[in-house]
Amino acid sequence: DQQVKQNSPSLSVQEGRISILNCDYTNSMFDYFLWYKKYPAEGPTFLISISSIKDKNEDGRFTVFLNKSAKHLSLHIVPSQPGDSAVYFCAATSQAGTALIFGKGTTLSVSS
Amino acid sequence: NAGVTQTPKFRILKIGQSMTLQCTQDMNHNYMYWYRQDPGMGLKLIYYSVGAGITDKGEVPNGYNVSRSTTEDFPLRLELAAPSQTSVYFCASSYSFGGGSYNEQFFGPGTRLTVL
Repeated sequence: DQQVKQNSPSLSVQEGRISILNCDYTNSMFDYFLWYKKYPAEGPTFLISISSIKDKNEDGRFTVFLNKSAKHLSLHIVPSQPGDSAVYFCAATSQAGTALIFGKGTTLSVSS
Repeated sequence: NAGVTQTPKFRILKIGQSMTLQCTQDMNHNYMYWYRQDPGMGLKLIYYSVGAGITDKGEVPNGYNVSRSTTEDFPLRLELAAPSQTSVYFCASSYSFGGGSYNEQFFGPGTRLTVL
């Protein structure tokens, strides 16, 4: 049973527009969430994270929103750039100390 | 500062062969992890270690073994390779465990393994 779900395998966006990547989780013990970005033939790299005590965290063009009641988080990229084209993984863990649980990923394609 | 390095980058094994995937980190992280990523799937944890001499199973440990004799190295051993172990293997390390800004995991570039 998937505890972290990314239901959209792919997303295509034009350069300059907003990209919204979604993630749902089922385990109510999760209280820390991360987004990783992965280019082909490379390992994932950390992008941005959010603790459950917040509902928003912003870092430059990247903003993560957390809706705890809906067990949903989203990553907004504004404006999208061709270099953002990659696979984005949502991951979750808990302060109690568990390993990261990853979603299946969403492939973002940004066209110029 | 090389971060997390993995060798080899690619490997083809025959069914029943064995091999060791090497992983080294130079960030003095206590926590290290092995993941596998199958096509179209997320990363699944195979084994992890919270320090030298201490290892524990993750979600998919069957068919694998690990050891952690030093802080820097965390090799993954495949015994009796099977086609189901065809995957991309990622090693990662972190300062700590669970949530928090210090617990970001740093990943190596991966090893692409094919078992025929």
